[in-house]
Amino acid sequence: QVQLQESGPGLVKPSETLSLTCTVSGDSISSYYWSWIRQPPGKGLEWIGYVSDSGSTNYNPSLMSRLTISLDTSKNQFSLKLISVTPSDTAIYYCARFRNWNCDCWGQGTLVTVSS
Amino acid sequence: SSELTQDPAVSVALGQTVRITCQGDSLGTYFATWYQQKSGQAPVLVIYGKNNRPSGIPDRFSGSTSGNTASLTITGAQAEDEADYYCYSRDSGGDHVVFGTGTKVTVL
Repeated sequence: QVQLQESGPGLVKPSETLSLTCTVSGDSISSYYWSWIRQPPGKGLEWIGYVSDSGSTNYNPSLMSRLTISLDTSKNQFSLKLISVTPSDTAIYYCARFRNWNCDCWGQGTLVTVSS
Repeated sequence: SSELTQDPAVSVALGQTVRITCQGDSLGTYFATWYQQKSGQAPVLVIYGKNNRPSGIPDRFSGSTSGNTASLTITGAQAEDEADYYCYSRDSGGDHVVFGTGTKVTVL
């Protein structure tokens, strides 16, 4: 059974870069697409983007200019980098397996706060 | 991109039926997917495609679409069904995905 676990700093300063990693177990990262989703505290879900098994990407247009999602097949991980963050980027960040355009398995999520 | 609009909240008596709707232009082309999110937990996929349930999802959950409106129906709601429910679909261009605004379901 596939399991996903997000990791990374819980606090990032404004204007700096938010970096998160999702470690996948129970499945090969080369077999599927993988996605990031976020949820500001008390608010709804926002799709961030996905990376394919070959490393191609598809991003939410509202985040595209600041976003990079990439694969590390040697570690069975994928990652998110969001530059120039502001307090509005404060959210729980989830990683998920992206299969047939659905996020069918999710990590537990990690809270990232943007604050000085 | 397109928007998916849901009612903010609905309530249902224990054992009764509740329907949660999701409206959006893209739903005339693409199926909606439905996620359940209980307080403090990650979302869980409950319905995908025309009306498919992942393993482990009770058959009291069902999905349907009519025109630009998708619906999630819970037939015989249980206390454990109290949660936020989000629809999700591809946008009108088909290139990206978008989540609905979410519906909080209260079981009375």
